[in-house]
Amino acid sequence: GENVEQHPSTLSVQEGDSAVIKCTYSDSASNYFPWYKQELGKRPQLIIDIRSNVGEKKDQRIAVTLNKTAKHFSLHITETQPEDSAVYFCAAKVAELTFGTGTRLQVTL
Amino acid sequence: DVKVTQSSRYLVKRTGEKVFLECVQDMDHENMFWYRQDPGLGLRLIYFSYDVKMKEKGDIPEGYSVSREKKERFSLILESASTNQTSMYLCASSLASGANVLTFGAGSRLTVL
Repeated sequence: GENVEQHPSTLSVQEGDSAVIKCTYSDSASNYFPWYKQELGKRPQLIIDIRSNVGEKKDQRIAVTLNKTAKHFSLHITETQPEDSAVYFCAAKVAELTFGTGTRLQVTL
Repeated sequence: DVKVTQSSRYLVKRTGEKVFLECVQDMDHENMFWYRQDPGLGLRLIYFSYDVKMKEKGDIPEGYSVSREKKERFSLILESASTNQTSMYLCASSLASGANVLTFGAGSRLTVL
């Protein structure tokens, strides 16, 4: 089955800096790559997603890039703010979503 | 505004007990899922269902079963709870078509003593 690896497991940045989280997947048939954000004590929520026929997608301060050849995709957050502090999960889909192990992002003042 | 409701936020059970975790969604979604969330392991799929009476095993189905008698309700059953099933359980639902965006419930934290 699909295997998704996510790095780093923890990330600390200063407010205003950029943050990058990287994921690799194993199954070249994966065609959908969402990112979910889980704030402390809350449920995961979709923040951005990308399909395999697109290389990059942006939504305000967040962007996702996909390299199908290398089978990796990344989440980029610019101008980080304290409210960006959360756990972020990447996922890849063949039949169903397989999630990465999560990245705890802490934005310090 | 709650769309996916999990009946219990916190449960404490003893080893060997039968445990029912209930999930109800009001969005008329066809697909429903049960995930288990553990630190450092991410979200792992236990079981899912595309329709009433239908169920499919996910990545870690051992020790679990599910029931979907109605479209809006998906239950996770632990026939004989064990300590290694202590975890956060998340229910989710999605439409059958389109982007398959998951809407999650708030989670049920189960402790097995």
